[in-house]
Amino acid sequence: EVQLVESGGGLVQPGGSLRLSCAASGFSFNNFEMNWVRQAPGKGLEWLSYISSSGTAIYYADSVKGRFTISRDNARNSLYLQMNTLRAEDTAVYYCARSYQYSSGANYFDYWGQGTLVTVSS
Amino acid sequence: QLVLTQSPSASASLGASVKLTCTLSSGHSSYAIAWHQQQPEKGPRYLMKLNSDGSHSKGDGIPDRFSGSSSGAERYLTISSLQSEDEADYYCQTWGTGGVFGGGTKLTVL
Repeated sequence: EVQLVESGGGLVQPGGSLRLSCAASGFSFNNFEMNWVRQAPGKGLEWLSYISSSGTAIYYADSVKGRFTISRDNARNSLYLQMNTLRAEDTAVYYCARSYQYSSGANYFDYWGQGTLVTVSS
Repeated sequence: QLVLTQSPSASASLGASVKLTCTLSSGHSSYAIAWHQQQPEKGPRYLMKLNSDGSHSKGDGIPDRFSGSSSGAERYLTISSLQSEDEADYYCQTWGTGGVFGGGTKLTVL
């Protein structure tokens, strides 16, 4: 059974940093692309970042480019999101999502974690 | 610019069918999308990938009550024999220079 379990959320002050983790199991982690997606309270889903299976290709949404860093450790079956210079508008539930990449290069998210809440407030 | 448009809300009666729509922006009518369901207080769940020709591949354990179809730039999710647990938010998703989500449709089962 595919499982994705996020951790590392919590309360942080504006300007602070936080590192989220996503532990993957039930599939060959090193064969799949991974993503971070967030959902602000009462709002829709927002894609944040993508990392290829090998870690060599990385993309970010403009809203987090330069502040957030995605990474992965295939030996530990883990995905990470380092979040710096956090703002109140970064308050959200953060999900990791596995994606399947088709030959066109398009990715579709086929498994999701349960999310971890990040609250940015003084 | 690649944009997905969804109606904010929909409703249908228990046991009935409902058809939700996701519209691709101009120039992107050939794109495939994925449908995701998010029940209250839960993480999203992948339902299916839907191609422009209407062919679709469903996720693990998704009931036959869920089906997809396409017409031009429109992608549809049809849920038949509605059950109470189908009351949820439904998001469409595609890929441009990164992930793109529609605004979501909140489905109420009456």
